[in-house]
Amino acid sequence: GAVVSQHPSWVICKSGTSVKIECRSLDFQATTMFWYRQFPKQSLMLMATSNEGSKATYEQGVEKDKFLINHASLTLSTLTVTSAHPEDSSFYICSGRDREYSPLHFGNGTRLTVT
Amino acid sequence: GQNIDQPTEMTATEGAIVQINCTYQTSGFNGLFWYQQHAGEAPTFLSYNVLDGLEEKGRFSSFLSRSKGYSYLLLKELQMKDSASYLCAVMDSNYQLIWGAGTKLIIKP
Repeated sequence: GAVVSQHPSWVICKSGTSVKIECRSLDFQATTMFWYRQFPKQSLMLMATSNEGSKATYEQGVEKDKFLINHASLTLSTLTVTSAHPEDSSFYICSGRDREYSPLHFGNGTRLTVT
Repeated sequence: GQNIDQPTEMTATEGAIVQINCTYQTSGFNGLFWYQQHAGEAPTFLSYNVLDGLEEKGRFSSFLSRSKGYSYLLLKELQMKDSASYLCAVMDSNYQLIWGAGTKLIIKP
């Protein structure tokens, strides 16, 4: 099946620093990538959608200058959390699909803790 | 607005059968997905229904009725490892996934 590799699995950083999360599709071309955030015992929350070579579309309430998304190739998308604060601590999950009707294939997630 | 409803939590016994229901109201319909999510892990794809009827895949089956805006996930011969949250998601007319809040399934010995 389709594999999405996400790194790092977990990261602890100090308040004010930036963190980059990578998401790679290993055996398919992810024309669309989705970035989700999930707080404990809550639903998945879509942060943004990105198509290869285009600017990401952010959901309402998600600051595009704080959560920088780059989808430069069909196999790589990155999320950079800039000037992280403790309230940004969460589980960040990427997913990709190759066609509109295709199921989403998820990375294993990145648990971010900001101290 | 768009809405996906599924029970918050269900409990079942090891070896038994459980049915998790999902009802939806969305702007258009391009298929319904079921995902499994273990605590602290990312979701994994279980099934996709776009036509009415039952899709069987091993111990798991998924049913869809588009006219009723209704789907269910059926899990047979329950095992302890099936304890997880089960997420229903509908793809709308813009090919965006609308997610339900998930059903936490607790399996008891």
